[in-house]
Amino acid sequence: DVKVTQSSRYLVKRTGEKVFLECVQDMDHENMFWYRQDPGLGLRLIYFSYDVKMKEKGDIPEGYSVSREKKERFSLILESASTNQTSMYLCASSLGGWGTEAFFGQGTRLTVV
Amino acid sequence: QQPVQSPQAVILREGEDAVINCSSSKALYSVHWYRQKHGEAPVFLMILLKGGEQMRHEKISASFNEKKQQSSLYLTASQLSYSGTYFCGTEGAAGNKLTFGGGTRVLVKP
Repeated sequence: DVKVTQSSRYLVKRTGEKVFLECVQDMDHENMFWYRQDPGLGLRLIYFSYDVKMKEKGDIPEGYSVSREKKERFSLILESASTNQTSMYLCASSLGGWGTEAFFGQGTRLTVV
Repeated sequence: QQPVQSPQAVILREGEDAVINCSSSKALYSVHWYRQKHGEAPVFLMILLKGGEQMRHEKISASFNEKKQQSSLYLTASQLSYSGTYFCGTEGAAGNKLTFGGGTRVLVKP
């Protein structure tokens, strides 16, 4: 079974802190994604990566950056956390492109105070 | 632009049927359906491709009307395990980013 693991289920951070959300997948997938999930807004794409060291902006990249140094690991970075970044963050991976099944992690609920 | 899902929420009794719609203002190449149970990761149900057939996952089926730019998910003879939030994701053209709708919360009661 494909497993996508996010390092934390819950995080509480202070405004202005630099925050790292880590995601690891164990199926050698080429593509990895970071989504933000908010009630009524569904899943919104922050960044995605289709190869090591490659990254592309999604629909809401402002205030975020990403890092993919190894194929299995995709990190989301909040350079200076703000309260409007309080949300559920979901990581996903897929073997193929956009037209293929994505496997999601269980999410990290981040609260910025 | 996000696709619009309707209804936003539905409550069913076990054994009842329901339909969830996903509509886009743009032409669609494919529609993806996922279900997320409370506290769990979203799980893939099916992909419908332009010109493709109706798809099925257990007793859940879906159709894709390209002309109407709309997909419908049919929950037939619903089971308690069908409870969760259903998301559609749309792909405007092959290789384009997937854009998800706001979700439809489904609660199936005994």
